[in-house]
Amino acid sequence: GENVEQHPSTLSVQEGDSAVIKCTYSDSASNYFPWYKQELGKRPQLIIDIRSNVGEKKDQRIAVTLNKTAKHFSLHITETQPEDSAVYFCAASLGGSYIPTFGRGTSLIVHP
Amino acid sequence: DSGVTQTPKHLITATGQRVTLRCSPRSGDLSVYWYQQSLDQGLQFLIQYYNGEERAKGNILERFSAQQFPDLHSELNLSSLELGDSALYFCASSVGLAGVGEQFFGPGTRLTVL
Repeated sequence: GENVEQHPSTLSVQEGDSAVIKCTYSDSASNYFPWYKQELGKRPQLIIDIRSNVGEKKDQRIAVTLNKTAKHFSLHITETQPEDSAVYFCAASLGGSYIPTFGRGTSLIVHP
Repeated sequence: DSGVTQTPKHLITATGQRVTLRCSPRSGDLSVYWYQQSLDQGLQFLIQYYNGEERAKGNILERFSAQQFPDLHSELNLSSLELGDSALYFCASSVGLAGVGEQFFGPGTRLTVL
């Protein structure tokens, strides 16, 4: 089955800095890569996703890049703000199914 | 608010007991997914139902079962509970079976097994 590795497990940055979270996946058939943000005690919320026919996608301060050859994808957050502090999960889904396999999560802490 | 509702919010019970978690998907969504989130295992997919039928199974224990009813709400039954079953259980829903849209998560049910 699919295996998703996510790094780092914790990321601490100063407000205004950029943050990068990286994930690798094992199954080359995976073609959908969502990213979720989960604030403490709350539900995971989709923040951005990318499909395998696209190399990069941006949404305001958030961007995701995908390297299919290397089987890795990354989340980039620019101009971080304290409200960006949360756990971020990457995921990969196999083929036409939208059941994702999740990474273990990255706890992002943005210091004011 | 995602439109997905889950009850109860919190559940405290003892080992060996059985509990039922309930999920109502967003209006119009036919797929329901169940996930377990624990500190040591992270977020794990358990099972998916589409329009009343089981469509995919993940890391779901034999002590656990689920069903989706004609009105599309779903229930996750957990029996012979163990301490390690303590976790957040999320339900998510989506419009279609595959290739359409995204999954919307409910607020979760926090299960504590004492």
